[in-house]
Amino acid sequence: LAKTTQPISMDSYEGQEVNITCSHNNIATNDYITWYQQFPSQGPRFIIQGYKTKVTNEVASLFIPADRKSSTLSLPRVSLSDTAVYYCLVGDPGGDSNYQLIWGAGTKLIIKP
Amino acid sequence: DAGVTQSPTHLIKTRGQQVTLRCSPKSGHDTVSWYQQALGQGPQFIFQYYEEEERQRGNFPDRFSGHQFPNYSSELNVNALLLGDSALYLCASSLRVFWVDTQYFGPGTRLTVL
Repeated sequence: LAKTTQPISMDSYEGQEVNITCSHNNIATNDYITWYQQFPSQGPRFIIQGYKTKVTNEVASLFIPADRKSSTLSLPRVSLSDTAVYYCLVGDPGGDSNYQLIWGAGTKLIIKP
Repeated sequence: DAGVTQSPTHLIKTRGQQVTLRCSPKSGHDTVSWYQQALGQGPQFIFQYYEEEERQRGNFPDRFSGHQFPNYSSELNVNALLLGDSALYLCASSLRVFWVDTQYFGPGTRLTVL
């Protein structure tokens, strides 16, 4: 199972674009990259998932280079309510050994006014 | 469309006691996974249930057991509670659609062991 490495914390300001990079050097061929957001004492919330290149939804974009050894979550024009912990996970959602996604400590993002 | 629900919200137990936590999956989902999250850490996978059977298990002792019912809801049981079992217990549901699958988490149950 691929392990991930993320910055422990990041600060930014309202209205800025925030990019959080995740390293996953031993990602397997069938692995997808998934990002979750978690507020204190709440369950994680799915943000975005991708396999390669670029994925965009209404809240974020996910950039994955060709070698897939890293990925970047991009949050456009953040607000104070985006202050949370962000987790990057790598796993094979369709494989027999799926779901044992390894969660690191995540990146604590603090948005300042 | 109701999301994942968990009960109770909070629970206080003493060492040695037993506890049962409950989870109802998101409508249409057939798979339930349980996680333990200690303060300041990421969730740790306990086990997953599909078709009423435990399919995968993380590195947790046998004191942790579970069950899935025909309506896909699930229970997590923890016996002989230890102080270290104090944590947020998260339930996640998903659908075993081939290839792309996303887990949706409930709000969690905060367990405090005294």
